[in-house]
Amino acid sequence: AIRMTQSPSSFSASTGDRVTITCRASQGISSYLAWYQQKPGKAPKLLIYAASTLQSGVPSRFSGSGSGTDFTLTISCLQSEDFATYYCQQYYSYSTFGQGTKLEIK
Amino acid sequence: EVQLVESGGGLVKPGGSLRLSCAASGFTFSNAWMSWVRQAPGKGLEWVGRIKSKTDGGTTDYAAPVKGRFTISRDDSKNTLYLQMNSLKTEDTAVYYCTTSRGSDCSSTSCSVDYWGQGTLVTVSS
Repeated sequence: AIRMTQSPSSFSASTGDRVTITCRASQGISSYLAWYQQKPGKAPKLLIYAASTLQSGVPSRFSGSGSGTDFTLTISCLQSEDFATYYCQQYYSYSTFGQGTKLEIK
Repeated sequence: EVQLVESGGGLVKPGGSLRLSCAASGFTFSNAWMSWVRQAPGKGLEWVGRIKSKTDGGTTDYAAPVKGRFTISRDDSKNTLYLQMNSLKTEDTAVYYCTTSRGSDCSSTSCSVDYWGQGTLVTVSS
C-alpha cells in the first residue's frame, strides 16, 4: 500500500501568516492527491483535488502544488477559521490518507 | 442537495458483527462509486473500502486491516450503501463515514471525496 507522510504533524501560527504543509508519497501517484480540512466533531471538507485544483467555494488563499511524490498545501494569509487539522489523500492506487497536520493558534 | 445519512452504529463485543447503512439522496446513486472512511477517537482518517457502480463492474476493494472481515454492498433500488462488519476487534472502534465523489476526479481505483455523511460511531468493547 502507498504510504502518505505529512509534515509537520502539528505547528502553531498566527493570523495573517503564510503556512505550508507538505505531503510525501512512498511511490509516485501522478497528481491523484487531495487535501482536506477537518474541524473538531465535523466531517472533513475537500479543499484541493488533482493536486492543485481548488474545490468550488474554497477561498483562494488555499493553494496546492506538486506531482509524483512531493506535494504542498499553502495557506497564503491565515484566517481564524483556518485553524484546524489538514489531511492529504492519495487516490492513485485505492486510497490512503496522511496522518494529519494540526494547525494551532500561536 | 447531496445527503448521506449513516445509521447502525453502536456498542458491540469483540468478535461480534454489525451492519452499517448509508441512505443517499440528491444525486444518481446508481452511477456513483461509494466508499467508507473511518476515524478512531483522536486519530486520523483511514480508508476502509470502496464499491464501484454496477456499470463500472460493481467491484469492491478493501484496506488490508479489514479485508476478509468487512463487506461493502449496495442496493441501488433503495439508494442505500451497506458495510457488514464481522469478527470485530477493539481497534475497529471509530466513527465510520459514508462518502462519495462527483466522479470528475477519479483514478481507475478511487476518487477524491466531495461528500461526507455525518458519521456513525462504532464501539467495540467487552
